[in-house]
Amino acid sequence: AQKITQTQPGMFVQEKEAVTLDCTYDTSDPSYGLFWYKQPSSGEMIFLIYQGSYDQQNATEGRYSLNFQKARKSANLVISASQLGDSAMYFCAMRDDIAPRLVFGTGTRLLVSP
Amino acid sequence: KAGVTQTPRYLIKTRGQQVTLSCSPISGHRSVSWYQQTPGQGLQFLFEYFSETQRNKGNFPGRFSGRQFSNSRSEMNVSTLELGDSALYLCASSPGGFDNQPQHFGDGTRLSIL
Repeated sequence: AQKITQTQPGMFVQEKEAVTLDCTYDTSDPSYGLFWYKQPSSGEMIFLIYQGSYDQQNATEGRYSLNFQKARKSANLVISASQLGDSAMYFCAMRDDIAPRLVFGTGTRLLVSP
Repeated sequence: KAGVTQTPRYLIKTRGQQVTLSCSPISGHRSVSWYQQTPGQGLQFLFEYFSETQRNKGNFPGRFSGRQFSNSRSEMNVSTLELGDSALYLCASSPGGFDNQPQHFGDGTRLSIL
């Protein structure tokens, strides 16, 4: 069975600083996808970034980058130059190629202070 | 391009009643998935539909059911509501489900059971 672990219940960062949100995963499937989503207090889940298990390079999307270390089974999200609007819950999720469903971690609440 | 639309946004029901939630996917998306989010259990997969067929189902009792129409719109039904069904119900759509495209979520329906 697949499992996602996010060990940081909460993180604090000052505006304009970078922050890393940790995510480790467990799967026996050779092919899988890793996703990060942001959930503001309003509830909607916003897709941030995707990394495929066979991708050779780390994914980047604007201020978001994914530090993918396959051997360590980790897929940490790096947010550069944090903004006040980045304050939200962040979820790491995995999808395998057998079933098009996402398995989510417990999330990390990020607070960005001025 | 319009995003995923979920209706209603908020719903209050009493124990024993039934409820139907609606989800309209992004135009062109044929896969629709449903998730339940609670403080205690986090985000859990309910089921996924593709071309009017349920392809995958999570570990929920039979009181939870769904369907998909020919225009890819989906409905989720919960019968004999229990207090524990209080949750944010999120719908997500993707083009086909098995590709690398991310699932895009709606704003959710917040269901409260009295």
